[in-house]
Amino acid sequence: GENVEQHPSTLSVQEGDSAVIKCTYSDSASNYFPWYKQELGKGPQLIIDIRSNVGEKKDQRIAVTLNKTAKHFSLHITETQPEDSAVYFCAASSRLGPTFGRGTSLIVHP
Amino acid sequence: DTAVSQTPKYLVTQMGNDKSIKCEQNLGHDTMYWYKQDSKKFLKIMFSYNNKELIINETVPNRFSPKSPDKAHLNLHINSLELGDSAVYFCAVALSGGGYNEQFFGPGTRLTVL
Repeated sequence: GENVEQHPSTLSVQEGDSAVIKCTYSDSASNYFPWYKQELGKGPQLIIDIRSNVGEKKDQRIAVTLNKTAKHFSLHITETQPEDSAVYFCAASSRLGPTFGRGTSLIVHP
Repeated sequence: DTAVSQTPKYLVTQMGNDKSIKCEQNLGHDTMYWYKQDSKKFLKIMFSYNNKELIINETVPNRFSPKSPDKAHLNLHINSLELGDSAVYFCAVALSGGGYNEQFFGPGTRLTVL
C-alpha cells in the first residue's frame, strides 16, 4: 500500500517568514495530492491540491510543487500570519482514497 | 447548513459497550468515509463506501461496521468497545471517484472509552 512521509513534525516561524513542509510517497499509482489544514477542534479542510499532470500550483500565499519522478511534493506558505497556525496534512490519493502524512504542527509567532 | 454533520460531538462510554456515531451529508456526493485520528493526530482511513462498493481497511477490527440507511448517511457502529478505541472519528464525503477528489470532513466525534 501507499506510504506517505511528512516532515517536519513541528515548524515554528516568525510572522512574515515562509514555511515549507515536505512529503514523499511510495506508490506511483497515486495521482492526486491534496493538502489539508486542521484547526483545533475541527475537521481537516482542503487548502490546495495538485494533480500529477501539473508540477506547480499557486493560490495567493500558498503554493504546492510536485516531482513525480522523485515522488515528493511540498507546501510553501509565504508571509505567514498567526492565523496560519494549525496542523497541516499532506496526502497521496489513488482511486480508493487518500493516505495521509503524519501532520506538521505549524506555529506562527506574532 | 453544515455540509457534513456528525452526532454526537462527544461520546464517553464504558469498555464493552456498543455505540454508534451518525454522519449526515447534504452535498449529494457519492462516496463517504470514516477516519480515525489518534492522540498523535495520525489520520487513518477506516472505510470508504459508495452505493456500489464498501472498501474496508484490513487493519480495522470487525467490531467496527459502517451502515448506510440511505445515500446521505453513513453511520459507524462499534461493538464491544475497548480502551484503544478512544480517538476522534471523522466522517468525510467526496465526489464519485472519491480518491481523486477533495474530501469534505465533518467536525469529528471524540470517543472516550473508560
